[in-house]
Amino acid sequence: KAGVTQTPRYLIKTRGQQVTLSCSPISGHRSVSWYQQTPGQGLQFLFEYFSETQRNKGNFPGRFSGRQFSNSRSEMNVSTLELGDSALYLCASSWDTTYGYTFGSGTRLTVV
Amino acid sequence: ELKVEQNPLFLSMQEGKNYTIYCNYSTTSDRLYWYRQDPGKSLESLFVLLSNGAVKQEGRLMASLDTKARLSTLHITAAVHDLSATYFCAVDRYGNKLVFGAGTILRVKS
Repeated sequence: KAGVTQTPRYLIKTRGQQVTLSCSPISGHRSVSWYQQTPGQGLQFLFEYFSETQRNKGNFPGRFSGRQFSNSRSEMNVSTLELGDSALYLCASSWDTTYGYTFGSGTRLTVV
Repeated sequence: ELKVEQNPLFLSMQEGKNYTIYCNYSTTSDRLYWYRQDPGKSLESLFVLLSNGAVKQEGRLMASLDTKARLSTLHITAAVHDLSATYFCAVDRYGNKLVFGAGTILRVKS
């Protein structure tokens, strides 16, 4: 059974650029959520999508956005990158939260 | 606002010893998760605790949940080097948003 797939694994961008990260959930999982992990702030919730609808959003600026497609794949976009956006971005999918969340390997974004 | 606190944040253990990691949370919730993270890796699910009094065990790890005290514990029995990792607890209050603790860095020394 394939796990949660995130692409790319590593990314280096320049300040001011924008970036798009992709997440393919486990087959059958309709909920996809995104988290940012940094040494200073730890793991923070970005947003969650279910059946193409954003159900919850964390406390991040509007530069962070996301979407989910009809096949449950999700993308998140960060515009006007700042140095502080350097982080590991993790995607998690879930069929039912009583079974928990499965995380992908993450995308490590470095902004220079 | 839901807050999740873990302690200790760093734990250096001798092989063969027992210890407990504590996870306190500030508002009512009946879903708590434990994850393990190895350096540079993603989060691996360890336990899903769904109700008051829930206890789950896997190998040398045992997790429990007391929803009345808003406390979960992760007990490590007879630690081995392979258990060295960072352990996170996370609380899911709304069914679709995890709030994580800061993590406990565990180092098992031989």
